[in-house]
Amino acid sequence: EVQLAESGGGLVQPGGSLRLSCAASGFTFSSYWMHWVRQVPGKGLVWVSRINSDGRSTDCADSVKGRFTISRDNAKNTLYLQMNSLRVEDTAVYYCGKDRPGGSVDYWGQGTLVTVSS
Amino acid sequence: DIQMTQSPSTLSASVGDRVTITCRASQSISSWLAWYQQKPGKAPKLLIYKASSLESGVPSRFSGSGSGTEFTLTISSLQPDDFATYHCQQYNSYPWTFGQGTKVEIK
Repeated sequence: EVQLAESGGGLVQPGGSLRLSCAASGFTFSSYWMHWVRQVPGKGLVWVSRINSDGRSTDCADSVKGRFTISRDNAKNTLYLQMNSLRVEDTAVYYCGKDRPGGSVDYWGQGTLVTVSS
Repeated sequence: DIQMTQSPSTLSASVGDRVTITCRASQSISSWLAWYQQKPGKAPKLLIYKASSLESGVPSRFSGSGSGTEFTLTISSLQPDDFATYHCQQYNSYPWTFGQGTKVEIK
């Protein structure tokens, strides 16, 4: 059974940093691209970043470019999102997701809430 | 960026109704469209990919159609478990973008 479990969310002040983790199990993690998607409670979904299977290719939304970095450790079956220079508008639930080859996200974690506030 | 627009934003329906949700892309995305269902406090669940392919395990009352810029998600006979918010998403090009969501409420 595919399982994704995010951790690392919490309350942080504007300008601060946080690292999210996503522990994967139930599939061959090293074979799949992975994504981060966020959602302000009550609002729509926003794609944040993606990483290819070996970690050498990444992409991210303009709103987080230069501040957020996606990475992965295939030996630990874990996906990361390093978030620096956090802003109030980064407050959201952050989901990790497994890429369905060809596109879309076929499995999602339960999400972790990041709150940026003074 | 490709803009995705869903309509309606909210839909009131009864059990057994046929329900249709529309998603429009600001430019052609071929068939690179997915539909997700999301319930309050839960992660999204993939229903449809490549515009009309049903994800494994998803009931056959869900169907998707369209290509280019206009797409629809249809629920042939609404069931109590289907009251939720539905999101479309394009994966023709990065950044991936989602519609604003359509909430299906009990009438």
